[in-house]
Amino acid sequence: DTEVTQTPKHLVMGMTNKKSLKCEQHMGHRAMYWYKQKAKKPPELMFVYSYEKLSINESVPSRFSPECPNSSLLNLHLHALQPEDSALYLCASSQAGTTRTDTQYFGPGTRLTVL
Amino acid sequence: LAKTTQPISMDSYEGQEVNITCSHNNIATNDYITWYQQFPSQGPRFIIQGYKTKVTNEVASLFIPADRKSSTLSLPRVSLSDTAVYYCLVGEINNDMRFGAGTRLTVKP
Repeated sequence: DTEVTQTPKHLVMGMTNKKSLKCEQHMGHRAMYWYKQKAKKPPELMFVYSYEKLSINESVPSRFSPECPNSSLLNLHLHALQPEDSALYLCASSQAGTTRTDTQYFGPGTRLTVL
Repeated sequence: LAKTTQPISMDSYEGQEVNITCSHNNIATNDYITWYQQFPSQGPRFIIQGYKTKVTNEVASLFIPADRKSSTLSLPRVSLSDTAVYYCLVGEINNDMRFGAGTRLTVKP
C-alpha cells in the first residue's frame, strides 16, 4: 500500500470557523509533511514531522496548527483563516525522515476555500 | 539550500523524446537530485532520483554531468498523458528540499 489519504477532499469555511484536515498513511513512514499550493505555483513546505516530533516549521502563521497523534496520522488544525489561505493543502510522507533523501509520497490534497 | 532553475514551459508532440534541464549551480557534495511530476489538482508523484552519471527506470532517464551543476530529465516517446508540471529538487535530506517553479510540459497530438 503506497497510498496517502487525505480528508476531506474539499472544504469551505468561514473566517471564524475551526476545522481540521486529516492525513493518513500505512506505509510505516516516520516522516510526514504539510504543503500549501496556490494555483499555478509550486508546493510550499509548511511543516515536517519526524518520528512524531515537529522538526520544521517554515514560519507558518499560528492560525495553522499541526498535530501528529501517531506515526500514521497527521492533522492540520485551522482557525481564523484568511481568504488568502485558500489553496490546495497537500500531505506527504517518506520513509527515512531526516536521515537521508527519500521518496516523498503525496496525497491528493484538500482543496480549501476560505470565505 | 540548493536553488534550482528550470524552463517555465515546454511544448512537444506525441511520440517525441522530451528533455527538461535543471540548473543547480550550488549543489552540495551530498545532495541528491529528484524529479517529481504533478497533474492538475493532484499531489506530486516521484519520477526519478540520482546522484551522478545516469539513472534509468521504466518511465524516465536522468542524466547528470560530472560537475553535477545541472541535470536533464529525459522522457522517451511522450504521450498526451505526460502533460504535467515537472519539478526538479536538490537536497541531501528531505528537509532540505524545496520545490522550484517547475516546468509546465504540454504534449500536443
